[in-house]
Amino acid sequence: EPEVTQTPSHQVTQMGQEVILRCVPISNHLYFYWYRQILGQKVEFLVSFYNNEISEKSEIFDDQFSVERPDGSNFTLKIRSTKLEDSAMYFCASRGLGAVADTQYFGPGTRLTVL
Amino acid sequence: AQSVTQLDSHVSVSEGTPVLLRCNYSSSYSPSLFWYVQHPNKGLQLLLKYTSAATLVKGINGFEAEFKKSETSFHLTKPSAHMSDAAEYFCVVSEGNTDKLIFGTGTRLQVFP
Repeated sequence: EPEVTQTPSHQVTQMGQEVILRCVPISNHLYFYWYRQILGQKVEFLVSFYNNEISEKSEIFDDQFSVERPDGSNFTLKIRSTKLEDSAMYFCASRGLGAVADTQYFGPGTRLTVL
Repeated sequence: AQSVTQLDSHVSVSEGTPVLLRCNYSSSYSPSLFWYVQHPNKGLQLLLKYTSAATLVKGINGFEAEFKKSETSFHLTKPSAHMSDAAEYFCVVSEGNTDKLIFGTGTRLQVFP
């Protein structure tokens, strides 16, 4: 069964450093998402991406964040200058070309720790 | 604004007994509702979804949920718990023409032998 994969599983970085979180969505999917979960809090939507453009973003997704689909398989989330409060589990998701309410398939997550 | 409330942060049951995980939602429009499960070190896996078809929705692993508009609820049930059901369960809503998912805070299910 196809699945979404994410690398690395755990990333430790120093405050102020740039990090890139990588995701490989399911191969025939066209909609891509990033969510995050700060420890002990809800899973929160960050951004959705379709046709090489951001479709929707939350207020969390400020200028420090960017997303990119650099090739036909990867989908990345970049944080330019990490803050302590960026420490969280980051989930990538993808869905196919169907109804808006079609299933989003999630990856296992990347745990980001900012020191 | 749409939101989801999971009424229990932890639920403990004995193996073989019924499971009930409660979820209430708030939505201005006809919502789509989902239950996702997360096993340790795994991704979020879809258990089932409601998208304005039958109000009783059957999912994987024997789980089902009933959409009750009058009670704004979407509780998850299973007749007989199995040890492998121990995990974190998330009730999720989306509405309208947005595919942004709104998550509840999660319910951790423990199953005792």
